[in-house]
Amino acid sequence: QSALTQPASVSGSPGQSITISCSGSSSDIGVYNYVSWYQQHPGKAPKLMIYDVSYRPSGVSNRFSGSKSGNTASLTISGLQPEDEADYFCSSYTTSTTWVFGGGTKVTVL
Amino acid sequence: QMHLVESGGGVVQPGRSLRLSCVASGFTFRTYGMHWVRQAPGKGLEWVAVISNDGSYKTYADSVKGRFTISRDNSENTLFLQMNSLRDEDTAVYYCAKTNIAAGGGGFLDHWGQGSLVTVSS
Repeated sequence: QSALTQPASVSGSPGQSITISCSGSSSDIGVYNYVSWYQQHPGKAPKLMIYDVSYRPSGVSNRFSGSKSGNTASLTISGLQPEDEADYFCSSYTTSTTWVFGGGTKVTVL
Repeated sequence: QMHLVESGGGVVQPGRSLRLSCVASGFTFRTYGMHWVRQAPGKGLEWVAVISNDGSYKTYADSVKGRFTISRDNSENTLFLQMNSLRDEDTAVYYCAKTNIAAGGGGFLDHWGQGSLVTVSS
């Protein structure tokens, strides 16, 4: 049950686009489309932003998009805004019938 | 509006036990699977356990297998996590989360509680 690999931090200026990668294996991301992304502001509970690789829940801005290629999933935030500054975690279901999270990426809006 | 409210956290000595509860409202609790996820101070999220809507299917992370037990009472709209033989490394905020499916593999965590802090310390 090794954690998925994410960059520790990503930054961008307002209005720019950034992409967060999430690297897994053929036991999780590579074999399932059950990849989801969560946003967490300091002291708050995580919030679902993307599910099943690329679907947005109702109420989530269309500036957030997800994709997957092989064993790696990605979250792109376009038109970066100050309120996007937060921690972001990816997650996947695994062949061990468990779930695994990434280590998290801190997004800073410069 | 869906709500999940955890309780039962606190300070406990290593080797002791603690039971967390999560009361659900705003949705048909018995229809959905439920998860526990934890977050150590300043660290990332760690998945802990999942239970199917009817309680017949449960899976655990290796780090808690044999020590923690997930259960639910659908008549009371409540999810539980019984934590035994607690260790220092179990110190974390514990979140309950609803999944979008009843049982089985896959799915995602679409609503989360605010968390309950468990501190294991002598």
